[in-house]
Amino acid sequence: GIQVEQSPPDLILQEGANSTLRCNFSDSVNNLQWFHQNPWGQLINLFYIPSGTKQNGRLSATTVATERYSLLYISSSQTTDSGVYFCAVERTGGFKTIFGAGTRLFVKA
Amino acid sequence: DSGVTQTPKHLITATGQRVTLRCSPRSGDLSVYWYQQSLDQGLQFLIQYYNGEERAKGNILERFSAQQFPDLHSELNLSSLELGDSALYFCASSVVHNEQFFGPGTRLTVL
Repeated sequence: GIQVEQSPPDLILQEGANSTLRCNFSDSVNNLQWFHQNPWGQLINLFYIPSGTKQNGRLSATTVATERYSLLYISSSQTTDSGVYFCAVERTGGFKTIFGAGTRLFVKA
Repeated sequence: DSGVTQTPKHLITATGQRVTLRCSPRSGDLSVYWYQQSLDQGLQFLIQYYNGEERAKGNILERFSAQQFPDLHSELNLSSLELGDSALYFCASSVVHNEQFFGPGTRLTVL
C-alpha cells in the first residue's frame, strides 16, 4: 500500500517563528488533506490540497503531486498552533485514507 | 464545529462486552468513514460507506462491524472487547469522495 512519511516528527518553536512541515507519499494520490489535532483531540481541517498551492491566513500549503510531496507552512507561530499536524492521502484509484504519523508541534510563549 | 456528530463522547466498559458508536454526517454528505486512533497505531482507517453501501475496508477487525442507514447515519459495533481496543474512534463524512470532515470522536476505555 501507499506509504506516508511526515517530517520532522517533533518540532519546538518560539512564538513568532516560522516553520515548514513535510509530507512525502510513495504513490500518486487523488486526495490529500492536512489536519491539526489540538490538545483536546479534535481534528481540524486545514487544507484539502491534492495539487497546487493554497493559503489561509498564517498557514499555506503546497502539493507537488508529480514529485509526491506536500508542504505545510506556518508563519508567525502562536501558542494555539501547538498540537499534532497530520497529512492524509488516498492513492489514485483507491478508497482507503492513509494518515502519516504526524508532526508534533509545541510553540513556546 | 465540523457538523459531524458522534455519540457518546466517552464510553467505559469491560472486556468481553459489546458497544455501539453512532455517527451523524454533515447535512448532504453521502460518505461516512470510521477511524481508530490509538497511541501505538496512530490514525487507522477502518471502513467507508457511501450512500448505504460499503465502499472500502481498512484494518477493521472481524469483531468490529459497521453499517450506514437510509437516513445516512452510521453505527460502528465493537464486540468481544479487549484492552487493546481502548482508543479514540472518529467518524468523518464527505459529500462524495473528497474532503473529509471529522466528528469530535468517541473515547472508548476498556477495563
